[in-house]
Amino acid sequence: DAGVIQSPRHEVTEMGQEVTLRCKPISGHDYLFWYRQTMMRGLELLIYFNNNVPIDDSGMPEDRFSAKMPNASFSTLKIQPSEPRDSAVYFCASSLGQGAGEKLFFGSGTQLSVL
Amino acid sequence: GENVEQHPSTLSVQEGDSAVIKCTYSDSASNYFPWYKQELGKRPQLIIDIRSNVGEKKDQRIAVTLNKTAKHFSLHITETQPEDSAVYFCAASLGGSYIPTFGRGTSLIVHP
Repeated sequence: DAGVIQSPRHEVTEMGQEVTLRCKPISGHDYLFWYRQTMMRGLELLIYFNNNVPIDDSGMPEDRFSAKMPNASFSTLKIQPSEPRDSAVYFCASSLGQGAGEKLFFGSGTQLSVL
Repeated sequence: GENVEQHPSTLSVQEGDSAVIKCTYSDSASNYFPWYKQELGKRPQLIIDIRSNVGEKKDQRIAVTLNKTAKHFSLHITETQPEDSAVYFCAASLGGSYIPTFGRGTSLIVHP
């Protein structure tokens, strides 16, 4: 398996624009997580899915953020409209979620810059 | 919910010295404690983990200890090398929850 795949690796956009981040988890993994990483706040859990169902989105900063997982192999995180304070690295991660499958496998991240 | 505190936020050592990073957790029901290493510009990756039925675990130069009574666990790196320079995150998760709570991270700098 190629691991967790995220796209794009870098995104530069202007304030007010819509941004869509994409993630393909490892096949067979039941859990998918979206994290945001900044110097000030470290790794923040935004939302996670179990078997494609959103379980906890309490970490989503505000209504401008939304996430979907239409099937087991694809998830998106959308920001609309984007603001400069959204600039951060966004990581997607997946885990097996069965038995001793707590280990998180992270994607390479998307470096988002909102100008 | 679970709360994980990690210290120090920055640790600077000379090559060959030992480094210790400490974390405390709040929920006594937590039973899985992983450590992730994130090199500059890279993704976090699991380097070692420990479960609550074990007090210590070693893997070459790294070891993790767990004190359930005090609710703290530590990462020990011996004979540090420049390639150990990275940000290290501890985490804790409740039994069967599969949802880790991360500490804020420790930036380890190993000077050659």
